[in-house]
Amino acid sequence: GENVEQHPSTLSVQEGDSAVIKCTYSDSASNYFPWYKQELGKRPQLIIDIRSNVGEKKDQRIAVTLNKTAKHFSLHITETQPEDSAVYFCAATLSGSARQLTFGSGTQLTVLP
Amino acid sequence: ETGVTQTPRHLVMGMTNKKSLKCEQHLGHNAMYWYKQSAKKPLELMFVYSLEERVENNSVPSRFSPECPNSSHLFLHLHTLQPEDSALYLCASSQGAAVQETQYFGPGTRLLVL
Repeated sequence: GENVEQHPSTLSVQEGDSAVIKCTYSDSASNYFPWYKQELGKRPQLIIDIRSNVGEKKDQRIAVTLNKTAKHFSLHITETQPEDSAVYFCAATLSGSARQLTFGSGTQLTVLP
Repeated sequence: ETGVTQTPRHLVMGMTNKKSLKCEQHLGHNAMYWYKQSAKKPLELMFVYSLEERVENNSVPSRFSPECPNSSHLFLHLHTLQPEDSALYLCASSQGAAVQETQYFGPGTRLLVL
């Protein structure tokens, strides 16, 4: 079935280094790809999203890239800080439903001081 | 953060109990969602309501029964649950029901079924 694969499941980086999380999807008709951040004990919050007519989007230290041909998209965090430590979820639309997001299984990012 | 609130925050129930989860949004949104979040698994969409009408039902067992009396309130009625239903149940809302609308999540209800 249609799904979203997310890697790695855990990622540790030194403060100041970059972190990259990658997701692949199976539905070539997917056209919307949000990323959510969930800090420990808190609710998921949208941090950035990208639509299929765009290849890259940046917001300060966060960027998302999309490769529609290869059906993958990635979250890039530069100059990581301890407060970036959280679980990050990617998601993609399903062609079978205009109202549904399919989520990846999450990446636990730990930024070591 | 008070845009989307959920009560109770924690719930322990036996398999024969009946309980309800409540979600309220103060954002003037027209769409509301229930998600299930289990450890090490992706967020699973359960139900979507748009303007108080259910528009998605992802093959959720009938022991979960949603109710949306108005665009600000969403309930999830629970009865005869199983231990595998233990999870974090998240409510979300968005301006409309189009998937590209930003979804705002509540803090969740941590449910334990004994």
